[in-house]
Amino acid sequence: EDKVVQSPLSLVVHEGDTVTLNCSYEVTNFRSLLWYKQEKKAPTFLFMLTSSGIEKKSGRLSSILDKKELFSILNITATQTGDSAIYLCAATGSSNTGKLIFGQGTTLQVKP
Amino acid sequence: DAGVTQSPTHLIKTRGQQVTLRCSPKSGHDTVSWYQQALGQGPQFIFQYYEEEERQRGNFPDRFSGHQFPNYSSELNVNALLLGDSALYLCASSKGGLANEKLFFGSGTQLSVL
Repeated sequence: EDKVVQSPLSLVVHEGDTVTLNCSYEVTNFRSLLWYKQEKKAPTFLFMLTSSGIEKKSGRLSSILDKKELFSILNITATQTGDSAIYLCAATGSSNTGKLIFGQGTTLQVKP
Repeated sequence: DAGVTQSPTHLIKTRGQQVTLRCSPKSGHDTVSWYQQALGQGPQFIFQYYEEEERQRGNFPDRFSGHQFPNYSSELNVNALLLGDSALYLCASSKGGLANEKLFFGSGTQLSVL
């Protein structure tokens, strides 16, 4: 059965800290790995990764995929209180590209 | 540019009742997917609609059904509600059918079953 596992499940840091969120996956015919940020209700898209070893960056956020070891990480540098949210990782397989398989999420709290 | 809109935002029902949730996709999108997110869990795929047909389905019973209209909007129906159906129901849209995995999500409908 396809599955995605995130760690840690929750994390508390102080502003300015750097955090690393982990996502491992086992998906048949893996196609892509996506990261979403969920504040309150609506998950918002952060990154989609399909190629191994290529880092994607957006401001203080960056992510990389390792297709050999079947994991991805999301890094957030110089954290701010506005980064507090649930971070969701999801994977797709080529046989079901429209179906995202989500992990449990990592709840990040950034304290002032 | 309107994003994905869902209605209602909150809903309270009792066991055994039926419920209909609605979703309008982001402008220009033609594919709609529905997800169920229980408290403390990641979203779980229910089904996906494209060209007014159910194209993929997750591990949900037949009590969960849906529809897509010619204007691409969609409904999720749940019959014979159980306490375990209490969750946040998220609608997501994308463009171009089944091959596009980059989804845009709405803010969800919070369903409470008493």
